[in-house]
Amino acid sequence: ETGVTQTPRHLVMGMTNKKSLKCEQHLGHNAMYWYKQSAKKPLELMFVYNFKEQTENNSVPSRFSPECPNSSHLFLHLHTLQPEDSALYLCASSQESDTIYFGEGSWLTVV
Amino acid sequence: QKEVEQNSGPLSVPEGAIASLNCTYSDRGSQSFFWYRQYSGKSPELIMFIYSNGDKEDGRFTAQLNKASQYVSLLIRDSQPSDSATYLCAVNEMNTGFQKLVFGTGTRLLVSP
Repeated sequence: ETGVTQTPRHLVMGMTNKKSLKCEQHLGHNAMYWYKQSAKKPLELMFVYNFKEQTENNSVPSRFSPECPNSSHLFLHLHTLQPEDSALYLCASSQESDTIYFGEGSWLTVV
Repeated sequence: QKEVEQNSGPLSVPEGAIASLNCTYSDRGSQSFFWYRQYSGKSPELIMFIYSNGDKEDGRFTAQLNKASQYVSLLIRDSQPSDSATYLCAVNEMNTGFQKLVFGTGTRLLVSP
């Protein structure tokens, strides 16, 4: 069982919907990440939170909005997404610059 | 643009053979290098990491790093059908406070019984 838990595992949403992805880590780490994995493309780093402060935002469209209320929880709020946003969204955590551990991912389909 | 290049494959090897997976990277300042395994429909799982030039062995897996040539490889000895997966190479930019990994697109490995 992974120390990083993501819910929901599968999500289908319309382009006008608002939904959120949730991530919880049980490893005592202080950094949390959102990655996007699309078919035929490398894993893309979207956001990083370190000590609850956002330290990285790789020019992600504003229709993706992260939230990190504490060092164990991370959310990705989704609104007015496009079909090309359909992908596997992976949450991960690490203790500073040590090894990253991934959650099992949330499969998102935008219709 | 920092890049990590991998042959997408598939790389097909018979059971018991050595599988050799290669990766090149563009940023000479990269400090640490990782190999992740990803089964279809699953999340990436760390296999090995390497920081120094040379070889690092862990069971059936050996990571090899050559910073002068900017390549890193993964050898899998005695390949098993359960090794069939996509192998992702990742390179860490020098940073403090968190890991900033740049991933390749992965090489798909097929091990036939």
